[in-house]
Amino acid sequence: SQTIHQWPATLVQPVGSPLSLECTVEGTSNPNLYWYRQAAGRGLQLLFYSVGIGQISSEVPQNLSASRPQDRQFILSSKKLLLSDSGFYLCAWSRGSARGEQYFGPGTRLTVT
Amino acid sequence: AQSVSQHNHHVILSEAASLELGCNYSYGGTVNLFWYVQYPGQHLQLLLKYFSGDPLVKGIKGFEAEFIKSKFSFNLRKPSVQWSDTAEYFCAVNLYSSASKIIFGSGTRLSIRP
Repeated sequence: SQTIHQWPATLVQPVGSPLSLECTVEGTSNPNLYWYRQAAGRGLQLLFYSVGIGQISSEVPQNLSASRPQDRQFILSSKKLLLSDSGFYLCAWSRGSARGEQYFGPGTRLTVT
Repeated sequence: AQSVSQHNHHVILSEAASLELGCNYSYGGTVNLFWYVQYPGQHLQLLLKYFSGDPLVKGIKGFEAEFIKSKFSFNLRKPSVQWSDTAEYFCAVNLYSSASKIIFGSGTRLSIRP
């Protein structure tokens, strides 16, 4: 069966520090991968998605970037965090052939101080 | 721009009450529709989905949803809620023209009084 991992589970970082959140998927190959930010009362905002290694689509211009160095690894990064980057970050995957059905990880709670 | 609207931000019901959560989307083309649920402390998970065929779809735990194309709606229903249905519910739309992406609504928090 497939599983998705995210780490860390929680993170407290000062303003201006770098960020690296990691997501890995097991049990499948060539998945579509997604990064979302979830804010209370605002649903899930799609940040980035990837349909293959090295292929990244950005949905919202902002202080973050994403990379996919391996087939089942997706990384969310920032060079300098802003207070507004605080939030709950979710990684998700879907089969390339499946329209819209996505499977979510446990999330990372990021607090920028 | 395409969007998904969930007008009920917080719904409070007593056990055994009937539930209907509204979802409307703005897109004139072919869509796939989903309801996801996030129970307290758990991962977001798929509750039910509509791709084609019978517009009344049934999901897990007694939930169902009806796709009404003319109203651009996909409302979630359950005839008798339980305390364990306390969760946040998200409606989502996959545009047929965009295989990889889905658009989520803002979510409805459901609280069930025991």
